This record gives sequence, structure tokens and C-alpha cells, in this order.
Amino acid sequence: ETGVTQSPTHLIKTRGQQVTLRCSSQSGHNTVSWYQQALGQGPQFIFQYYREEENGRGNFPPRFSGLQFPNYSSELNVNALELDDSALYLCASSGGAEDTQYFGPGTRLTVL
Amino acid sequence: GESVGLHLPTLSVQEGDNSIINCAYSNSASDYFIWYKQESGKGPQFIIDIRSNMDKRQGQRVTVLLNKTVKHLSLQIAATQPGDSAVYFCAEKSNFGNEKLTFGTGTRLTIIP
Repeated sequence: ETGVTQSPTHLIKTRGQQVTLRCSSQSGHNTVSWYQQALGQGPQFIFQYYREEENGRGNFPPRFSGLQFPNYSSELNVNALELDDSALYLCASSGGAEDTQYFGPGTRLTVL
Repeated sequence: GESVGLHLPTLSVQEGDNSIINCAYSNSASDYFIWYKQESGKGPQFIIDIRSNMDKRQGQRVTVLLNKTVKHLSLQIAATQPGDSAVYFCAEKSNFGNEKLTFGTGTRLTIIP
């Protein structure tokens, strides 16, 4: 186990709704990255937070937003959900002298 | 743009044999490469990594080879076991800009008992 936790495990929403996903980073890590993984594909980078500031963003619209808290845990918020937002959302933590990102188990989001 | 691709989407190997999973990348600025294993319903699990100043790195039953000339990465798994069945992803990170990982689509490895 990596020590990275995510909640909830599964979530079902309808189009137009908003969702908040949560991630707790591994002890000692100050960086959290979020990825979206569609079925049968590799994870796609959404954005990264380092010491409570956004540190890079992938090709996702502004309705995907995030936060990082002083304890380095993080939230991913998605507004105006679309059917294509159905995916596994992964968070990964890293930090210190390591480049390695360690992933949590993911949150499976289904948009109906 | 940058991309990481895999040569084979599926691979079946007899239990006890060695397996080799290949990966091509296109970003010359990539300086760090990672292999992840993802089992069904779980997040990617770190297997092994390698920096661009190396061409080989070994772990427990796994070896990663990096050929920067042809932008090719491979993962060798020795003496495969049923628990090795999973999807394997290579990922790369550039030393410029943010810290994002770029993943390929993955190779599904099936170990035949």
C-alpha cells in the first residue's frame, strides 16, 4: 500500500451536477497530482498542487478545479458534469527528494 | 506533441517464463521514466524507475532498459507468476515545466498457468 487514500470509492452523479473528490497524500509528501483514467486508457494529467498552489495543468476545462490544504491533502472539483467525465480519478502524491508519484486506489465516477 | 506509446496492447506468457514489455516515447526532453502495474479496480502501483543518465536498472525480478538513441524503454519480468497478470504502463516526465507524468495506453500481461 502507498499510504495515499481517496474518497469516495465510487460515485454516481447525473449530468449537470457537481462533484468533489478527496485525496490524502502519503506522509512526508507535499505534492498531489490528479489524473483522469478513462476505461482502457492510460491516466491523463489534470493538474498538480505543490504547497497549496497549482503547479501545472493538463488539457482540461476550467470546470475542473482543485485545492490543496495545509496538511497537503487535496480536493478535485468538477462542475457541470458531462457524460464523458465518467472515469477513474486518481490522485498521486510525491515529494521530498523523490520524483516518483505514488497513486491512491482511485474514485470511480459514473455520470448518467 | 509528446506521447508515450506501447508496441503491443496484449501479451500472454507462460508461467515461469520471462516477459518483455516495450514502450516508445517521443519527447527528447524526458529525463525520468517509470513503470507502473495496474490491477483491475486498483490504482497504478510503482514497479521501477530509471533516469535518463542510466541505461539499465534492476529490481526484484524486474529490469528496466532505456535506449535514448531510439527513445525506447522496456520492462523485463523474470520468472513470471500469476500475480504478474495486470496492465503495465510506462510513464515519462520531462525536466521542463510542471511535474506531470505522461502515460501510454498500457499493455495487458496475462500469465498462463
